[in-house]
Amino acid sequence: DADVTQTPRNRITKTGKRIMLECSQTKGHDRMYWYRQDPGLGLRLIYYSFDVKDINKGEISDGYSVSRQAQAKFSLSLESAIPNQTALYFCATSDSQGLDTGELFFGEGSRLTVL
Amino acid sequence: DQQVKQNSPSLSVQEGRISILNCDYTNSMFDYFLWYKKYPAEGPTFLISISSIKDKNEDGRFTVFLNKSAKHLSLHIVPSQPGDSAVYFCAASAGRDDKIIFGKGTRLHILP
Repeated sequence: DADVTQTPRNRITKTGKRIMLECSQTKGHDRMYWYRQDPGLGLRLIYYSFDVKDINKGEISDGYSVSRQAQAKFSLSLESAIPNQTALYFCATSDSQGLDTGELFFGEGSRLTVL
Repeated sequence: DQQVKQNSPSLSVQEGRISILNCDYTNSMFDYFLWYKKYPAEGPTFLISISSIKDKNEDGRFTVFLNKSAKHLSLHIVPSQPGDSAVYFCAASAGRDDKIIFGKGTRLHILP
């Protein structure tokens, strides 16, 4: 079983719909992140959270919101999806206390298509 | 403004030769740098990192070099193998307690 699990893995939706992407982790890490990948644009940070009560905007947070429901869960919401939010979304975790501090562990990605 | 730049979208290298992937950064506060490798349909995986107190870090076939004055780092893969064909992302942060910012990636093709 994957340490960082994203659901759904694939989703097709229509413009204006509300979408939630969920991420759960069994690594016991305190930090969680949401990135999106677009062809030619690399990985861009949307939001990140360093613990349950901490939420921070990343490079491209407009149009998105997040919720850190528990240390192991971090969800990304698109309140009203638009076509340019079509992308591959990755959740990642890191451990502020471990030997690998600074290293991100990624989920397998959620491909979102907005028609 | 892009803080981490990978100016080569793709690179082709003969199997057995050296692959050199380059990365430039603009934020002088960055002091921790990482390389990630990504295969299609998978999430990125950590490859190697370097902090600004070093100018070289080696792990098997992979070596990262950091030139702070030029704000440049490079990843050397020697010898290159077919399984190295992937997209490589350079990333940076202003300390281990800061967010990590990625470049656009370089697609490496290892030719037989």
